Amino acid sequence: QSVVTQPPSVSGAPGQRVTISCTGSSSNIGAGYDVHWYQQLPGTAPKLLIYANTDRPSGVPDRFSGSKSGTSASLAITGLQAEDEADYYCQSYDSSLSVWVFGGGTKLTVL
Amino acid sequence: EVQLVESGGGLVQPGGSLRLSCAASGFTFRTYAMHWVRQAPGKGLEYVSGISSNGGSTYYGNPVKGRFTISRDNSKNTLYLQMGSLRAEDMAVYYCARLTSDDAFDIWGQGTMVTVS
Repeated sequence: QSVVTQPPSVSGAPGQRVTISCTGSSSNIGAGYDVHWYQQLPGTAPKLLIYANTDRPSGVPDRFSGSKSGTSASLAITGLQAEDEADYYCQSYDSSLSVWVFGGGTKLTVL
Repeated sequence: EVQLVESGGGLVQPGGSLRLSCAASGFTFRTYAMHWVRQAPGKGLEYVSGISSNGGSTYYGNPVKGRFTISRDNSKNTLYLQMGSLRAEDMAVYYCARLTSDDAFDIWGQGTMVTVS
């Protein structure tokens, strides 16, 4: 049971906008720790998609954006494309556990 | 090219031991904290262990505390994970990952599979 919660699945049609939520608590996201997002395509290693809540590494399309408020964060994907179909994970740090923590992951299906 | 390459995975019996390695290249290894993250078949990512840049601080997830030991050799640009008292629930792909100053894992290896059976 992860201390950071994500919906198990989301879906959207090509061209649409989807959002994935990441809900934590006062010992992680709510404590001010940054949230980071990863994309994991089938059979591959995770790839950093968003760091420090809102920033994109070089090469990540601006269709991907992140936000954070209170004890939650969100990943938004606009102009959905077939190649966006993947698992998405949020990650932060938890001061009670004193370790880095991942959300349970969200499977994005492009209809 | 910045790269992490894991090795050492394989089949081990319950209660057995295994040592994973992660060879780094393309960046100044000694200046980065390094971590291990695992993923059981069909499951999500789980934090395993981490070590500071100089090896002075180590971190462990609750499921592996007391059984796994992380270490590094900065002269060889290599990260290690010594795993002991292995259980069925330790079966997973183990990834090594580089930690940035923002506490994000920006570089990942391709992973090495550990099977406990």
